[in-house]
Amino acid sequence: ETVLTQSPGTLSLSPGERATLSCRASQSVSSSYLGWYQQKPGQAPRLLIYDASSRATGIPDRFSGSGSGTDFTLTISRLEPEDFAVYYCQQYGSSPYTFGQGTKLEIK
Amino acid sequence: QVQLQESGPGLVKPSETLSLTCTVSGGSIRTYYWSWIRQPPGKGLEWIAYIYYTGITNYNPSLKSRVTVSVDTSKSQFSLKLSSVTAADTAVYYCVYSYGVKWGQGTLVTVSS
Repeated sequence: ETVLTQSPGTLSLSPGERATLSCRASQSVSSSYLGWYQQKPGQAPRLLIYDASSRATGIPDRFSGSGSGTDFTLTISRLEPEDFAVYYCQQYGSSPYTFGQGTKLEIK
Repeated sequence: QVQLQESGPGLVKPSETLSLTCTVSGGSIRTYYWSWIRQPPGKGLEWIAYIYYTGITNYNPSLKSRVTVSVDTSKSQFSLKLSSVTAADTAVYYCVYSYGVKWGQGTLVTVSS
């Protein structure tokens, strides 16, 4: 099973700042099949990034993904008030699919 | 745009079987595969299983002995059954298109007597 470790656990930033979230895999993620999700309280997760670096439909271009192998990054270039939420990474390259434990992005 | 809606009992007794159905609308269920993912209150996400519209399945080994997923293309529905539930199975259960492209709103299932 591929274990995903996200860091930091909590990130405190202000609107307008840049956010960098990390996801590290215990083994190489096949074909860079890694996704990033945003989840707000009481809502289902929403796909932001798939295949490590492709933005999902309707996702603003301030969200970007990068990485390959075992190290992946989600970057939010300029934080908007609506971006404060919990973010999860997920690998879907090998079974069982697994998620990271999440990074909470909070307003400083 | 495809929409997903979970349905089923919100309360299940310990040792019984949890049964949920997901109805797909706005698109054909005969495309790719469909997943179940759950999230215990205040915790992270756990992938349970997926099923192709052809009936091919893949289960999380941690739950495989208790899980069955099925699909009914004539009704545009796919289903989850989880047997011998305990309090640890209390969670919001999501039905999902593919690995996570589109999610249902989720349904909270509580295991309690």
